[in-house]
Amino acid sequence: DAGITQSPRHKVTETGTPVTLRCHQTENHRYMYWYRQDPGHGLRLIHYSYGVKDTDKGEVSDGYSVSRSKTEDFLLTLESATSSQTSVYFCAISPTGGYGYTFGSGTRLTVV
Amino acid sequence: ELKVEQNPLFLSMQEGKNYTIYCNYSTTSDRLYWYRQDPGKSLESLFVLLSNGAVKQEGRLMASLDTKARLSTLHITAAVHDLSATYFCAVDWEYGNKLVFGAGTILRVKS
Repeated sequence: DAGITQSPRHKVTETGTPVTLRCHQTENHRYMYWYRQDPGHGLRLIHYSYGVKDTDKGEVSDGYSVSRSKTEDFLLTLESATSSQTSVYFCAISPTGGYGYTFGSGTRLTVV
Repeated sequence: ELKVEQNPLFLSMQEGKNYTIYCNYSTTSDRLYWYRQDPGKSLESLFVLLSNGAVKQEGRLMASLDTKARLSTLHITAAVHDLSATYFCAVDWEYGNKLVFGAGTILRVKS
């Protein structure tokens, strides 16, 4: 997707290991978000950021942490991955004031 | 807390038929989005509805918003196979740039 990239695209990891997913934007948007997508649940907000070093929890934040040290990068960390965190993770960006969200291509994470 | 409910969750349609997907939400908001997702892909923005009574149309899809009833509809006219996908509605919450999604409607159009 233009202006937003996620890495890695796919990852398989073992239970108990730490995992970091990266979201990078070139749009200079203020707001960045991490969602997870699971069948029957749509997309659920994990954490979001409204500026450098400014983050807040979403609906399903337990077991996840985030960091944003630069405008362009928003990192999602699973401190100790569990099988329940097997999911597809989407990053999204939004300009100040909203009126539009752009989603990344997603990261498929499998915890075995 | 904002809740967004879509129905139906699964819709199997014959080509050429019409149908409507409903999206109800629980708290006040005047920004509602419809997205399409193909299997294994990201979300594609279809419509952004920003005020009560807003209606937008693109091809065989038409979306509307009734903020008083807290209801949005996505109407499909004369369905074709290419419309097969998962459709999500999402409501912007607190004007703070938080998007809350419905569970999605899986649409299958059969020829």
